[in-house]
Amino acid sequence: GENVEQHPSTLSVQEGDSAVIKCTYSDSASNYFPWYKQELGKRPQLIIDIRSNVGEKKDQRIAVTLNKTAKHFSLHITETQPEDSAVYFCAASRRDDKIIFGKGTRLHILP
Amino acid sequence: DTGVSQNPRHKITKRGQNVTFRCDPISEHNRLYWYRQTLGQGPEFLTYFQNEAQLEKSRLLSDRFSAERPKGSFSTLEIQRTEQGDSAMYLCASSLASLAGNEQYFGPGTRLTVT
Repeated sequence: GENVEQHPSTLSVQEGDSAVIKCTYSDSASNYFPWYKQELGKRPQLIIDIRSNVGEKKDQRIAVTLNKTAKHFSLHITETQPEDSAVYFCAASRRDDKIIFGKGTRLHILP
Repeated sequence: DTGVSQNPRHKITKRGQNVTFRCDPISEHNRLYWYRQTLGQGPEFLTYFQNEAQLEKSRLLSDRFSAERPKGSFSTLEIQRTEQGDSAMYLCASSLASLAGNEQYFGPGTRLTVT
C-alpha cells in the first residue's frame, strides 16, 4: 500500500522567511497530493493540492511542486507570518480513494 | 454551517463500554471517510463509503468497530467494548467523487477518552 514520508518533523523559521516541507510517496498509481494545515485542537484544513498532470501550483504565498519520476512533492510557504504556525500534513491518494497522510511537520514562525 | 459536522465533540467512557459517533457530511457529497488521529500523528484511514456502500475497511478496524451509512447521508461509527488504546480523535471527511479529483473536507472530530 501507499506510504508517505514527510520531513522535517519540526521546522522553525524567522517571520518573513520561507519554509519548505518535503514528502515522498511509494505508490506510483497515486495521482492526487493534498496538503492540510492543522492548528491546535482544530480540524485539518485543505490548503492546496496538486494532481499528477501538473508539476507546480501556486496560490498566493503557498506553492506546491511535484516530481512524479522521483515520487517527491514539496510545499513552499513564502513571506511567512505568525498565523502560518501550525502542523502541516502532506498526503497522497489515488483518484477517489482514501488519503494516506504523512506524520506532519510542526512549523514555528519566530518573531 | 454547511460543512462536515460530528457529534459528540467529546466523549469520555469507561473501558468496556460501547460508544457511537455520528458524522453528517456536506450535503451533496457522495463519499464519506472515517479517520483516526492520535497525538503527534497524521490521520489514519479507517473506512469509507460511497453512498450507502462501504467500499474499504482498514486493517486498523478490528471487529469491535463497525460503521454504517444506511441512507447514504449521515454515518455512524460504533466501538464496542472500548479499550484504552481506542482513545484518539475520530475524524470524518466527505468528498464528491468525480473525474476531477478527491478533495476531502474534514469535520471537527470526536475526541474519545477511554478511562
